Amino acid sequence: GESVGLHLPTLSVQEGDNSIINCAYSNSASDYFIWYKQESGKGPQFIIDIRSNMDKRQGQRVTVLLNKTVKHLSLQIAATQPGDSAVYFCAENMRRGYGNKLVFGAGTILRVKS
Amino acid sequence: DAGVTQSPTHLIKTRGQHVTLRCSPISGHKSVSWYQQVLGQGPQFIFQYYEKEERGRGNFPDRFSARQFPNYSSELNVNALLLGDSALYLCASSLDTGSYNEQFFGPGTRLTVL
Repeated sequence: GESVGLHLPTLSVQEGDNSIINCAYSNSASDYFIWYKQESGKGPQFIIDIRSNMDKRQGQRVTVLLNKTVKHLSLQIAATQPGDSAVYFCAENMRRGYGNKLVFGAGTILRVKS
Repeated sequence: DAGVTQSPTHLIKTRGQHVTLRCSPISGHKSVSWYQQVLGQGPQFIFQYYEKEERGRGNFPDRFSARQFPNYSSELNVNALLLGDSALYLCASSLDTGSYNEQFFGPGTRLTVL
């Protein structure tokens, strides 16, 4: 079936530490993956994406790793800050005919302790 | 430039009623997608429209319908509301329906069905 799942529902980290959020996906044919951040009362906000022909992509303080062999994604946040506290979703882009849709996991709550 | 806008922000309805939710995409974006996000879960794909044509439909009953207008704005309609329809309804816009198109989300409409 279609599913993108997360290993840990809640992650608590100390301010300044690095955070790692993991995600498993099920569709080996998916060629595009996105991480979103969602703060309370807001819509998902794009963080970083990666295409299936890559295994690593870096942004500002964030890195996404893709392991197609085991269908696993991870999001690494360096020097985690209180403003990083939110729910994080990985999403898998699936082509459907002439369209496409995002399949989201359930999300991981990141709590940053000061 | 304004981001994706949605109206209303909050809505309370009773079972059996119908509801219309509205979305205005980012200027220049021709594709709009709708997602339902139940509390504690990731968003679930409902519809995708491109150039006024439906390009995809998720696993939702026929009570859910949508359309896209010539100015690329969109409406999501839900008839015969059920308690389980209570959710955050998210609209996302993208340039088109290509695989690597980033989808930008609006703030959502919070629907409560009593």
